[in-house]
Amino acid sequence: DAGVIQSPRHEVTEMGQEVTLRCKPISGHNSLFWYRQTMMRGLELLIYFNNNVPIDDSGMPEDRFSAKMPNASFSTLKIQPSEPRDSAVYFCASSGGNQPQHFGDGTRLSIL
Amino acid sequence: GESVGLHLPTLSVQEGDNSIINCAYSNSASDYFIWYKQESGKGPQFIIDIRSNMDKRQGQRVTVLLNKTVKHLSLQIAATQPGDSAVYFCAENIPPSNTGKLIFGQGTTLQVKP
Repeated sequence: DAGVIQSPRHEVTEMGQEVTLRCKPISGHNSLFWYRQTMMRGLELLIYFNNNVPIDDSGMPEDRFSAKMPNASFSTLKIQPSEPRDSAVYFCASSGGNQPQHFGDGTRLSIL
Repeated sequence: GESVGLHLPTLSVQEGDNSIINCAYSNSASDYFIWYKQESGKGPQFIIDIRSNMDKRQGQRVTVLLNKTVKHLSLQIAATQPGDSAVYFCAENIPPSNTGKLIFGQGTTLQVKP
């Protein structure tokens, strides 16, 4: 079975550029989560969706971050404009019903 | 200036020994708990979970113990193998449980010596 698929796996870009991270959840899962992991702060929940609707975005750092889920099989996390402090590994996870979350392998983002 | 990162606790064990990883959770109302394993360059991988109406659950080579009185969770790994080397996270779900929102601990690094 395909797990959660994230792209790209690595992204290196200059500050000020727009960055778009992509996630395909596991088919049939109705909840999708975006996390950020850094050495300083560990694993932090940014936003999550239930049935494609954003439920809690209190973890989104600031207005430069936005996330969308146009359909049940696709979500994006966008940073515009990007800053060096946004450098981190970004994870997407999905879950269905009362099942545990399954994570993708992340996007390692470096902002120069 | 010098950057300060999280100092993850580290547990070092000999191959074949049993490992016990501990976690203190934050909210007495939490009703669901999960242990994840994260290997270098990968996302967290589900190991085992337990609901608050239980105090013990066993899987293959792993056991999770829940002590709600002191808000403590532990993961026991039997006959630890080199492939068990990773960072282990506990996570708690704060009700309402149908949101699926998890709060993660900082993690513990497990090093297995051959």
